Amino acid sequence: SAVISQKPSRDICQRGTSLTIQCQVDSQVTMMFWYRQQPGQSLTLIATANQGSEATYESGFVIDKFPISRPNLTFSTLTVSNMSPEDSSIYLCSVGSDRPNTEAFFGQGTRLTVV
Amino acid sequence: AQSVAQPEDQVNVAEGNPLTVKCTYSVSGNPYLFWYVQYPNRGLQFLLKYITGDNLVKGSYGFEAEFNKSQTSFHLKKPSALVSDSALYFCAVRDPTVGSSNTGKLIFGQGTTLQVKP
Repeated sequence: SAVISQKPSRDICQRGTSLTIQCQVDSQVTMMFWYRQQPGQSLTLIATANQGSEATYESGFVIDKFPISRPNLTFSTLTVSNMSPEDSSIYLCSVGSDRPNTEAFFGQGTRLTVV
Repeated sequence: AQSVAQPEDQVNVAEGNPLTVKCTYSVSGNPYLFWYVQYPNRGLQFLLKYITGDNLVKGSYGFEAEFNKSQTSFHLKKPSALVSDSALYFCAVRDPTVGSSNTGKLIFGQGTTLQVKP
């Protein structure tokens, strides 16, 4: 299994500002994903982070709001831009292979509160 | 479209009693099903998966799950619950198609909070 380090673990931010979340994996992985977990809710996929190219966003999520980088096979960042209180959530990085019979692994999450 | 449903927001059991957390799915083709657990202020931890083969799958921490194709269910079970099992449990399904736009993505159920009381 992969060991995933996600930073920061939590933050309190002012509305209108941006926060960048880092995800570092201890081994090269094929696929990296970013999920959002709103308070009391399930996980919703934001985007697939593609190495060396633009991320693939799910319906309802856009690059201007959630820019994502993935410069190599072990690292990715998610930025939450121009934050509002509605962005208060847990953001989780996930890694896996492109073989569908394998499990995905998750970072410990970043708990973001926007005030 | 693939989907997963967890019909119970919360399940309460007494310590030592058996527990069941329910999950039903809707997929086209063969389902790839997973259970994850989330402890407070933690990320998700993988418990077990069903890909093919035996309908009863064993996983971490004494958990098991039963795949039932006719009922499209994948219920999580444990013969004897512990207080430390109290957490949020998620059922998830993954697209089995390699190379599709959905490759690798997990679709999660709503989550079920398990409360085990001493």
